[in-house]
Amino acid sequence: GAGVSQTPSNKVTEKGKYVELRCDPISGHTALYWYRQSLGQGPEFLIYFQGTGAADDSGLPNDRFFAVRPEGSVSTLKIQRTERGDSAVYLCASSRGTQETQYFGPGTRLLVL
Amino acid sequence: AQTVTQSQPEMSVQEAETVTLSCTYDTSESDYYLFWYKQPPSRQMILVIRQEAYKQQNATENRFSVNFQKAAKSFSLKISDSQLGDAAMYFCAYWANRDDKIIFGKGTRLHILP
Repeated sequence: GAGVSQTPSNKVTEKGKYVELRCDPISGHTALYWYRQSLGQGPEFLIYFQGTGAADDSGLPNDRFFAVRPEGSVSTLKIQRTERGDSAVYLCASSRGTQETQYFGPGTRLLVL
Repeated sequence: AQTVTQSQPEMSVQEAETVTLSCTYDTSESDYYLFWYKQPPSRQMILVIRQEAYKQQNATENRFSVNFQKAAKSFSLKISDSQLGDAAMYFCAYWANRDDKIIFGKGTRLHILP
């Protein structure tokens, strides 16, 4: 069985550009989470989906960040007008349901020059 | 607000020896979970062990065990018979039962000396 996958593995972009990061959860998992891990820190929560809807987006740092999950499976994290401070590893996790063990993907390392 | 503190940025242990990683947390909740995750250079967060707060018995998984002291809000990880493959960042994490998000500590980098 495949685990959580994330693409791309690494992304380099220029300040001001738009980026999309993709997460493919484990098949059948209804809950999906995005976290951001800055250098030397633990992951920090960004947003949580239950099915297609964002149940909790309290961790999104500002309105440049947006995430979707239109069919309740794949999710895309979108960052507009990237800034150097957005450089981090973006981790995705999924679980069978709420309050179930979260399984993490390998992350996307984003570098904004 | 809930917080998780790992006071040891780095630790080293000789192969085959035992090492203990420390973690303290702060919460006013009574129903929660605690975790230790391992993150090797591949970046994949791997669940090592999980403890339910209502359980008094300490969780164990093969060479990994925890010392859960609920009153002291302490949750340490003991790794016995350390192996080279145990080298990684280890994150202590907290999850309130009524919440969506896991809260992570800053991590401890564990080095295994051959």
